[in-house]
Amino acid sequence: QQQVKQSPQSLIVQKGGIPIINCAYENTAFDYFPWYQQFPGKGPALLIAIRPDVSEKKEGRFTISFNKSAKQFSLHIMDSQPGDSATYFCAAKRSGGTSYGKLTFGQGTILTVHP
Amino acid sequence: DTEVTQTPKHLVMGMTNKKSLKCEQHMGHRAMYWYKQKAKKPPELMFVYSYEKLSINESVPSRFSPECPNSSLLNLHLHALQPEDSALYLCASSGVPTGANVLTFGAGSRLTVL
Repeated sequence: QQQVKQSPQSLIVQKGGIPIINCAYENTAFDYFPWYQQFPGKGPALLIAIRPDVSEKKEGRFTISFNKSAKQFSLHIMDSQPGDSATYFCAAKRSGGTSYGKLTFGQGTILTVHP
Repeated sequence: DTEVTQTPKHLVMGMTNKKSLKCEQHMGHRAMYWYKQKAKKPPELMFVYSYEKLSINESVPSRFSPECPNSSLLNLHLHALQPEDSALYLCASSGVPTGANVLTFGAGSRLTVL
């Protein structure tokens, strides 16, 4: 119930391609779905996040698509650049109560963008 | 530069040593966290402090001892660790004005236990 399943484990695209990373969850109590980007030697940094009352959110080249009925969400990176090469984690969280910071992370996707 | 500062960046310790990891934030956040991250794995929550009180302990072994001296500082005291405790230890914070759900992570302290 607490798992977030992320795929693929790794992804290689050419510059300008549109990598897509998918996540699925089981717990319908989750109401906040962030994506974190992590570069080697750095901590994760929030990239973009969505709530289940919205089906799509776009920030710059990054778009989250959310399908509440299927309990799935995905990250699309438009016009990908070599600088986007990093590990991407989807996550899910239930707001309120004692759930501070209890992000349930997916297993991560290592993205490589070739020049 | 990250707004959550962790020191040291790297730490090597023996199994009998006592050491501490330190974390500092000046964003006015009232929730602070310790996460542990093994290579190629997602971060795992260890502890959560809310308003300087421990609110969540994810069944972490007692050889890890957290401390929150004030709202800006978070320490993790380490004693009698095992080689399998070698990992990247991440501190994070959340709260007003960025939002309770938005965690800001530090760059981490890379711990190696010999």
